[in-house]
This record gives sequence, structure tokens and C-alpha cells, in this order.
Amino acid sequence: AQKITQTQPGMFVQEKEAVTLDCTYDTSDPSYGLFWYKQPSSGEMIFLIYQGSYDQQNATEGRYSLNFQKARKSANLVISASQLGDSAMYFCAIYGVYNQGGKLIFGQGTELSVKP
Amino acid sequence: DTGVSQNPRHKITKRGQNVTFRCDPISEHNRLYWYRQTLGQGPEFLTYFQNEAQLEKSRLLSDRFSAERPKGSFSTLEIQRTEQGDSAMYLCASSRTSDGTDTQYFGPGTRLTVL
Repeated sequence: AQKITQTQPGMFVQEKEAVTLDCTYDTSDPSYGLFWYKQPSSGEMIFLIYQGSYDQQNATEGRYSLNFQKARKSANLVISASQLGDSAMYFCAIYGVYNQGGKLIFGQGTELSVKP
Repeated sequence: DTGVSQNPRHKITKRGQNVTFRCDPISEHNRLYWYRQTLGQGPEFLTYFQNEAQLEKSRLLSDRFSAERPKGSFSTLEIQRTEQGDSAMYLCASSRTSDGTDTQYFGPGTRLTVL
């Protein structure tokens, strides 16, 4: 079975500082993808970043980077230079290529609050 | 490309009534997914289609739930004889298997309240 664990229910960060949101995963699938989504209070899930299990380098997308440590089964999201608009729920999710069909399995989420 | 759209955005209904939601995916996306999200939780998978074919249904999808994607474009999710426990946000997503990552892009959701 696939599982995502996000152990930080809530996080605070000062504007312009960097913050790391933790995500650990468990999967029996040899090939998988890891995703991070942002969900503002409006409710829409916004795709942020993707990391494939065979990717050699950590993924980066603008201010977002994914610290992928395969042996430790962790896929932490790093947001640099936080902005007030980054305040939202953040979800880590996993997709197994062979054993999971098409579905994403999500964690419980981390609520990030950016302080001015 | 326009994003995934969902209608209605909000639905309030009385217990026992039937409701239907619509999802229009990003054009040329061959996969379409339905998820349900309750307060304080991450989304939970309900079902997904590849073109017209419904490839997987979660055990969460009781026989009161039915989903269709008749022409491989838009999809509908119907809930019959609604119960208060059906109150949730229903999210639709679409993806294109040919993009290599199969990244799912979500719509704004339909928030269902069953009184």
C-alpha cells in the first residue's frame, strides 16, 4: 500500500524567510512520482512541483524546490523567500506507476502561515 | 489552455435528494479523476477515466454514486439519495498520460452541503 505522512499540521514562517515542509512516503511500487500541491482558502488545488523516483536531481520550480532523499523516503518541499500569498494548505501526494493505477494518494496536509 | 472547470461551485440539498456535478477537463487531457475532500483532510480518490473507460473505482464509491464520461470529454458525478455524510468538497482533475509525469490539474471543486 502507498502512504504519505505529513507530520506538521501547522507551520509559521516570517515573510522573506525560507521554510521546509516535511513529507515522508511509503510505497511498494518501484516507479513512482511525488507531487506537492497548494490549496488556498478558495479550495482549488494548485500543482507546484513534481519529482520522479528515477530523477537524479532534485526538482526546482521558481521559489519551490523538492529535497528528495530516496533512501530515507522523504520528499520535503522548500519554499524560499516566503510571501504573504504563500499562506495556504500544502499537500504532498504520491503516484505509483505500476501498483496504484491512476490515483494520487495524499497526506493530511500542512497549514502554512506567513507572517509579515 | 483553459483550466479544469466544475459546475456548480456550491450545492445545498436536502437529505434524500439526488445531485449531479459536472467537470470539464483541460482539452486533450485523456484522463479525468474525481476526488472527495472533507474538512481537515487530504483529497481521497473516488474514480478515474481514461477516455470513455472508467478504469478504477474506490471502495468509497458506494452504489449511490455513479460517474460517467460518455464521449471522453466532460464527466458527471451523480449522488443518489444523498446523506449528511456526503457533505464534502468534490474535486475533479485531469491529466495527459503522454506528458511523462501524468501530472493532475485540479478544478475549483464543488462544495456539497446536505441538510
